[in-house]
Amino acid sequence: QSVLTQPPSVSGAPGQRVTISCTGSSSNIGAGYDVHWYQQLPGTAPKLLIYGNNNRPSGVPDRFSGSKSGTSASLAITGLQAEDEADYYCQSYDSSLSVLFGGGTKLTVL
Amino acid sequence: QVQLQESGPGLVKPSGTLSLTCAVSGGSISSNNWWSWVRQPPGKGLEWIGEIYHSGSTNYNPSLKSRVTISVDKSKNQFSLKLNSVTAADTAVYYCARVSVVVPAAIDYWGQGTLVTVSS
Repeated sequence: QSVLTQPPSVSGAPGQRVTISCTGSSSNIGAGYDVHWYQQLPGTAPKLLIYGNNNRPSGVPDRFSGSKSGTSASLAITGLQAEDEADYYCQSYDSSLSVLFGGGTKLTVL
Repeated sequence: QVQLQESGPGLVKPSGTLSLTCAVSGGSISSNNWWSWVRQPPGKGLEWIGEIYHSGSTNYNPSLKSRVTISVDKSKNQFSLKLNSVTAADTAVYYCARVSVVVPAAIDYWGQGTLVTVSS
């Protein structure tokens, strides 16, 4: 059971907007630690998608955006494309000096 | 472009020690980055194992701390993972990774991963 809670799955049709939530607590996200998001395509290593809550590394389309409020964070994907079908993980830090990952969310493009 | 490559046995016996090495190329392990190990059991999510700085400073996942040792070899530009007293629950793809120097805890480079199976 991950300390950061994500929905196991989300789905959407091409062109639609989907959001993935990441819920933590006062000892991690709520303590002010940044949230990062990773995309993992089948059979590959994770790739940094969003860093520092709402920043995109070079090369990541602006269809991907992040936000954070209180003890939670969200990843939004607009204009859904078939190539977005992947697993998505949030990551933060805990006051116990430990890096935390969410349990992961499988995005299905219908 | 930084590249990381994991290497080590793909099969470890129960109660034995899992040993992996991560070779870093395209960059120096003595840079201001932390270097991490992350694992992923088949069909499951990511789990942070720990990290090391070139000075030898380490941070470990509290749930694994009693069994884990991460070390660095600056002369070979590589770092290593040892996990002892392994069980089937330690079967996973093990990734080595580089933590961003700009954004704390964000992992900006990953190895391709290596599957380690714990079985007799």
